[in-house]
Amino acid sequence: NAGVTQTPKFQVLKTGQSMTLQCAQDMNHEYMSWYRQDPGMGLRLIHYSVGAGITDQGEVPNGYNVSRSTTEDFPLRLLSAAPSQTSVYFCASSYFGQSYEQYFGPGTRLTVT
Amino acid sequence: GIQVEQSPPDLILQEGANSTLRCNFSDSVNNLQWFHQNPWGQLINLFYIPSGTKQNGRLSATTVATERYSLLYISSSQTTDSGVYFCAVLNAGGTSYGKLTFGQGTILTVHP
Repeated sequence: NAGVTQTPKFQVLKTGQSMTLQCAQDMNHEYMSWYRQDPGMGLRLIHYSVGAGITDQGEVPNGYNVSRSTTEDFPLRLLSAAPSQTSVYFCASSYFGQSYEQYFGPGTRLTVT
Repeated sequence: GIQVEQSPPDLILQEGANSTLRCNFSDSVNNLQWFHQNPWGQLINLFYIPSGTKQNGRLSATTVATERYSLLYISSSQTTDSGVYFCAVLNAGGTSYGKLTFGQGTILTVHP
């Protein structure tokens, strides 16, 4: 049971480039989400999904796109990278329900120059 | 939205000492989790504890939901306990959909 996995671990992009951060889980969790962690600001929710084919915006969605074609995968796309998107990105998953006990992946450290 | 405050912001201990970290939240919650972010950046689940008391080895946690606070106890601290401890809550209510609100964290440094 691998839990929540993320690739890549590190990435450097130039301003304007696009890329996709991958997230996968093998726990059959319905709920998946993406957070970013910036110094002094804690973790903030970018997008989330309550099941395949259903996504919605979180607190800081601008500049990011998501889709959920399978239960296992929830990729995060940066459409045109900006230096303000330099951050550490975490993917999380949980069963859907009242409690949402969540499990986090190891993170992707992204630098945009 | 719900506010989460953690204290103290920083804590420095000698190995073997005990400590208590506090998390206050401003509204009813369906979920409260404690995480340890190790020096490599990984977020490790410590406790899922919306109410009551749980223990796991040297760590224990208590949440008093009616008074809107949670405590994390670390006994006989070790250098491997160093890192940042986050409290995160899920606001009770129909529109939260799993959005965890994180506190700013407590930075713990344990010296040998």
